Amino acid sequence: AQSVAQPEDQVNVAEGNPLTVKCTYSVSGNPYLFWYVQYPNRGLQFLLKYITGDNLVKGSYGFEAEFNKSQTSFHLKKPSALVSDSALYFCAVRDPLTGGGNKLTFGTGTQLKVEL
Amino acid sequence: GAGVSQSPSNKVTEKGKDVELRCDPISGHTALYWYRQSLGQGLEFLIYFQGNSAPDKSGLPSDRFSAERTGGSVSTLTIQRTQQEDSAVYLCASSLPSGGGVETQYFGPGTRLLVL
Repeated sequence: AQSVAQPEDQVNVAEGNPLTVKCTYSVSGNPYLFWYVQYPNRGLQFLLKYITGDNLVKGSYGFEAEFNKSQTSFHLKKPSALVSDSALYFCAVRDPLTGGGNKLTFGTGTQLKVEL
Repeated sequence: GAGVSQSPSNKVTEKGKDVELRCDPISGHTALYWYRQSLGQGLEFLIYFQGNSAPDKSGLPSDRFSAERTGGSVSTLTIQRTQQEDSAVYLCASSLPSGGGVETQYFGPGTRLLVL
């Protein structure tokens, strides 16, 4: 079975500082990994994904994530945080070896708070 | 272009009543997914439609839940005899057809359901 863990319920960072939101996963084979962001009372917005190839993936709004197979991690990063980055972030995984469609398994979410 | 739309945006109902939630996917997206976001359970997969194939219903929590997709486009999620534990945000997503799960799922704004 596929699973995702986001160990931090909340991350606080000062504006202008680098941010990291952590994600680890468990799958049978090579994972497909996704990051989404959710602003209050909004749906999920896609940020980036890793399917194959370069371990460093760049996405929307200056975010990037690094796939680390040995550590089974896919941490989300941004070099310089903005107050407008404050939102709820979800990591998701799909294990291509499992059958049953393309459903994503999501982590529990990490609330990012960027302060002035 | 237009994104995934969902209606209603909010729904308040009484315990025991039936509700219908609607999802309009992005034009050209043949894959459609329903997820539920609740405080206690996080984001859970409910059901997945892909073209004319039989839907993957493996995430439906009980037989009170059903969904259909007419004409390969609009989908309706129906909850019969609603219970208070059904209160949640119901999210719909769509994607291009994908046999391998690499396609990005794009989410609608959700329907916030409150069962009194």
